[in-house]
Amino acid sequence: NAGVTQTPKFRILKIGQSMTLQCAQDMNHNYMYWYRQDPGMGLKLIYYSVGAGITDKGEVPNGYNVSRSTTEDFPLRLELAAPSQTSVYFCASSGGLAETGELFFGEGSRLTVL
Amino acid sequence: TQLLEQSPQFLSIQEGENLTVYCNSSSVFSSLQWYRQEPGEGPVLLVTVVTGGEVKKLKRLTFQFGDARKDSSLHITAAQPGDTGLYLCAGATAGGTSYGKLTFGQGTILTVHP
Repeated sequence: NAGVTQTPKFRILKIGQSMTLQCAQDMNHNYMYWYRQDPGMGLKLIYYSVGAGITDKGEVPNGYNVSRSTTEDFPLRLELAAPSQTSVYFCASSGGLAETGELFFGEGSRLTVL
Repeated sequence: TQLLEQSPQFLSIQEGENLTVYCNSSSVFSSLQWYRQEPGEGPVLLVTVVTGGEVKKLKRLTFQFGDARKDSSLHITAAQPGDTGLYLCAGATAGGTSYGKLTFGQGTILTVHP
């Protein structure tokens, strides 16, 4: 069972470069999320989507962008990378009521901006 | 902004000891989830509590949701090295602009020594 698949697992960027973190889920979940995890800070929500074609900002959206053209895919775009975006990024999906449903997480993408 | 404060942030104990992790907020949540995360992996759901005063047991783990649904605790009895990991609490609110978004605590890093 694939579940939530994130690519790449590791990436080093130079300041000002752009990149896309890919996320795909094969559970036919409507809800998808992008979180970032910094040491000692837990998980912060960047963007989320409640279905194809619908996205909304989370707690820390600045410097990022998302799209949701299909149910399966939810890519996260970083424009003009900055050192403050060095973090571990997790994509997650949920199929039930989002307020009580289980979040299924990918394995994470570790991004370093130098 | 809703905040969840977890304590302690770090816990280092010997195998066989008991421990409790706390998750507190000034906000009311419709449900609260506990996740466990191992290095290099995404968080995995342990339990969801939805009713004030609810107690759920998962083998040696006991989860409690406060009567006012503002706090929760995780108690581990006779800890084992396999319990080592990062424990995260996450609160959900229903309705409005917060629908479908979880607020995560900063996590508790538990190390159980053989």
